Amino acid sequence: QQQVKQSPQSLIVQKGGIPIINCAYENTAFDYFPWYQQFPGKGPALLIAIRPDVSEKKEGRFTISFNKSAKQFSLHIMDSQPGDSATYFCAASINTDKLIFGTGTRLQVFP
Amino acid sequence: EPEVTQTPSHQVTQMGQEVILRCVPISNHLYFYWYRQILGQKVEFLVSFYNNEISEKSEIFDDQFSVERPDGSNFTLKIRSTKLEDSAMYFCARRGETNYGYTFGSGTRLTVV
Repeated sequence: QQQVKQSPQSLIVQKGGIPIINCAYENTAFDYFPWYQQFPGKGPALLIAIRPDVSEKKEGRFTISFNKSAKQFSLHIMDSQPGDSATYFCAASINTDKLIFGTGTRLQVFP
Repeated sequence: EPEVTQTPSHQVTQMGQEVILRCVPISNHLYFYWYRQILGQKVEFLVSFYNNEISEKSEIFDDQFSVERPDGSNFTLKIRSTKLEDSAMYFCARRGETNYGYTFGSGTRLTVV
């Protein structure tokens, strides 16, 4: 029940495309859902986060869509750029305490 | 946001040796965490540390692991007798009382041979 399932494992898009990464959870006590971006050899960096009282949040080219009834949330990257090529992790927590991470999605954006 | 600095960036150790990984949060944040990431896998929670005490630990964090904040600034993770399966990236993280975002360090790559 503590798991967060993430898909797809990898994703290849062309520049300008809109990659979508999906996550699902079981524990309804989760109340904080962040997305992290990780470049090789670096630590995860917070991209955007959402709480279950809203269905969508946008920050720049990144959008989280949240479906509380389905216990699913997703990350959309608008107008993707080669510099967005990285591994993306969704996560969930209770009271913004320990993070339960998804398995990661390796995104490659080709010019 | 001030960075979280971790040292060393890479450590190679022989199986059975003790290692100490260090983290300097550089702020008055109260909540500190250690996570690890085995190569190519997801990031896993190890332990949380609040008000100079362990507040929660995972199944991974067995008796071989310990954490300390020895001088009020540095935050350390000690592995007493390393095993091959301890090879991973270890990340320190911090968050504040009202800051809903974590800041992760750049990690220490531990290689046990």
